Amino acid sequence: KNEVEQSPQNLTAQEGEFITINCSYSVGISALHWLQQHPGGGIVSLFMLSSGKKKHGRLIATINIQEKHSSLHITASHPRDSAVYICAPLSYNTDKLIFGTGTRLQVFP
Amino acid sequence: DAGVIQSPRHEVTEMGQEVTLRCKPISGHNSLFWYRQTMMRGLELLIYFNNNVPIDDSGMPEDRFSAKMPNASFSTLKIQPSEPRDSAVYFCASTPPQGGRTDTQYFGPGTRLTVL
Repeated sequence: KNEVEQSPQNLTAQEGEFITINCSYSVGISALHWLQQHPGGGIVSLFMLSSGKKKHGRLIATINIQEKHSSLHITASHPRDSAVYICAPLSYNTDKLIFGTGTRLQVFP
Repeated sequence: DAGVIQSPRHEVTEMGQEVTLRCKPISGHNSLFWYRQTMMRGLELLIYFNNNVPIDDSGMPEDRFSAKMPNASFSTLKIQPSEPRDSAVYFCASTPPQGGRTDTQYFGPGTRLTVL
């Protein structure tokens, strides 16, 4: 079993829809990163969180340490949100980032 | 700020040749990461420097790979000799002081390496 599981693997939505991407992990962590990779390949760090919730514009990230689960929400989705979203927990024991395989999101106008 | 700068953006070489990838982190950042991304394995951390010192190189695949950070503003990743399985996109990222692995990472645009 992978240490990091993301769901769904692929997601299509209509512009304006509310999007949720889930990340479950099996190791103890000290923090968790959400990354966005654009179709052109560039990677942007969206959030780094270790507890609770963070909000940046239309993006919201939550984490539940006890349940080993994090979610990334996009409100009022837009075609420019189309990208691959990658969850990367930071293992407490190894101090290494463990990358999920990503969720490919396509938002259609 | 110009962000993290990587060069070259694209590199095509033949098997057996030496390849050198370069990275300039954001000024003032003191942690630097080299990652490799492939379709099969996704993103993988190769090596992590803090204050120019390699802290974790356990992700470096084999002796053909080496990385250096001679000063705070420059790092290289060298592959010698290169093999077709090294074909990937190589990303460099940096974080501010005291950030290390738990701070927001700023990624460069990547170098797409193709080894024929």
